[in-house]
This record gives sequence, C-alpha cells and structure tokens, in this order.
Amino acid sequence: QVQLQESGPGLVKSSQTLSLTCTVSGGSVSSGSDYWSWIRQPAGKGLEWIGHIYTSGGSTNYNPSLKSRVTISLDTSKNQFSLSLSSLTAADTAIYYCACSTAWAYRDWGQGTLVTVSS
Amino acid sequence: QSALTQPASVSGSPGQSITISCTGTSNDVGSYNLVSWYQQHPGKAPKVMIYEGTERPSGVSNRFSGSKSGNTASLTISGLQAEDEADYYCCSYAGGATVVFGGGTKLTVL
Repeated sequence: QVQLQESGPGLVKSSQTLSLTCTVSGGSVSSGSDYWSWIRQPAGKGLEWIGHIYTSGGSTNYNPSLKSRVTISLDTSKNQFSLSLSSLTAADTAIYYCACSTAWAYRDWGQGTLVTVSS
Repeated sequence: QSALTQPASVSGSPGQSITISCTGTSNDVGSYNLVSWYQQHPGKAPKVMIYEGTERPSGVSNRFSGSKSGNTASLTISGLQAEDEADYYCCSYAGGATVVFGGGTKLTVL
C-alpha cells in the first residue's frame, strides 16, 4: 500500500492554470504496472475521472471532456506526478484527489485538496 | 463518455440487505468485468470495496459483494450496520485506457 499526498494552491483565479503535485511514498512511480491518476469531486457531487499516466513508458489518457485542458506528468527523481489544468472556470472548483490504480481499481488515495476558482 | 447511472439514494434497517445498481452501456460495464465500488464517508477519501466486479480487497467485510448482469453491475451489502452509512460510487473501465464513474448513491441506515 502506497501513501499519496496532494499539494498545491487552494485558491486560483479564473482563466489561469492550476498545478497540483502528488508525492508518493511507500512505492515508486517508475516501477510496477500502475496508473497514477487524478480524480476530482465538486462539493456535494460525484467523482469525476480526470486522467492518468502509466508507470511504464509514461503514456497518458484523459477524460474526453477535459482533454484539451489537461496535462499529467511524472517526475521520477522526486517520486511525484503532477496535474496541470488550464483555462479555469468556477466549474473547476472541487476537491482534487490523486490515486493509484491497478487492474482499473483505485486502491490507494490521497486525502484530497480543495481547489477554489475565484473570479 | 457518460457517467454510469446509480440511484440517488437507498435505505435499509440494521441487519437487512440492500443492493445498489450501476447501469452503463455495452461500451463499459457490459463489455468488461472491471467494475469497482467505492465507499466514501463525509470528509474522507473514497475506499475501494469491490474490484474486478466481484473481488474484495483484503480487510473488506464479506458482507459486501458485487455482481453483474448485462450492462448493470450491483453492490449488495448484507447484515446492514450503522457504519455502512456512506456514499457509494461505482466505476468501470470504458475502453481505450479510460474509466467512468457513477453519479453516486447515498446509503441511509434507518
């Protein structure tokens, strides 16, 4: 079981770009066959898959509804992976979780970080 | 890619059994045995309760079970307990290395 911890700004302005980092401990982002993922949850609403990056080769996949604005990357030297989401609007206000999936199930989650987009 | 359909709420009394459905399409739930279920208590991160449709992770009570018929997956909780009161989400592999979540179901233990 790995531990994940999100970090980043809690408040960002509309139209700007959000950058979040997930630090992984108890495991390596560069080994195994895991997908390192970002998932978000607006207040009082359901979970939305944002996208993920694969351990081996670093290939990425994104939610089609967000694809034009999302980039997920790996930093193996720091054992971290990151999320970049551009052209923010109020609809992007949510709790952002990083998670690790194996066999398409998310077994490990970070505690989540609240991001508020202000005008 | 549309969200999977779950009932907004279900309820049951302690000791009873409840079932939460999760309806998708032939592009996701119907094509793969890769549905997972998550329990989320208020203010907490989700916790996986079922993976690959029917498998329970170590440490998850055997009161939780999963099944699938056609395009609909189901989570059954037997011997309902007060601590089971939470939100539950299904998630399915949707092809092309993508996944889709359900809208969530609020379980109330009466």
